[in-house]
Amino acid sequence: AQKITQTQPGMFVQEKEAVTLDCTYDTSDQSYGLFWYKQPSSGEMIFLIYQGSYDEQNATEGRYSLNFQKARKSANLVISASQLGDSAMYFCAMREPYGNNRLAFGKGNQVVVIP
Amino acid sequence: ETGVTQTPRHLVMGMTNKKSLKCEQHLGHNAMYWYKQSAKKPLELMFVYSLEERVENNSVPSRFSPECPNSSHLFLHLHTLQPEDSALYLCASSQGTGTDNSPLHFGNGTRLTVT
Repeated sequence: AQKITQTQPGMFVQEKEAVTLDCTYDTSDQSYGLFWYKQPSSGEMIFLIYQGSYDEQNATEGRYSLNFQKARKSANLVISASQLGDSAMYFCAMREPYGNNRLAFGKGNQVVVIP
Repeated sequence: ETGVTQTPRHLVMGMTNKKSLKCEQHLGHNAMYWYKQSAKKPLELMFVYSLEERVENNSVPSRFSPECPNSSHLFLHLHTLQPEDSALYLCASSQGTGTDNSPLHFGNGTRLTVT
């Protein structure tokens, strides 16, 4: 069963504007972790931000913030003040509860920042 | 060098060839992973090594054979592959494999094409 859902089509965003990438997840476990990764055309997966299921505050990391709504099982990524270098695929991932650091990834969102 | 390094970046091989992918991490982590990324599919976990011991083999065909000689190096030996094995193969490392918030750090990947 798919555990991470990212359904937005490719997005174009104007430079310096904010963009929100949607992510919903499915789990029956109470303890879990949510991650966002960025994958530019070079192929490397770059860790952006982490949200624990018990964290009461939304995670923030520089221009990245996570809009965590636990009851709705959503963990949307917000990128503020977009830059041309933000053009990439963005993947939401959830750490599965049974160890070995398994991460279940979504299919990703394509973002293109235009000047 | 820092981070996670994968070689080669690109590999084209015939179905009867034998080749190996190499991954090296300079982060002092104790867990390493192989992931497969196919077009339009979520990342698929293949193998997990913790302290040089394989702790997970995610139903991967035997034509893929991992090797972890030490905590800094991980190999993926390939033989008699099929065209559907063409994909981006990503190596990752992390500090620990438990249910903490340690993210995976990925390399740039090896783009494999099987002809």
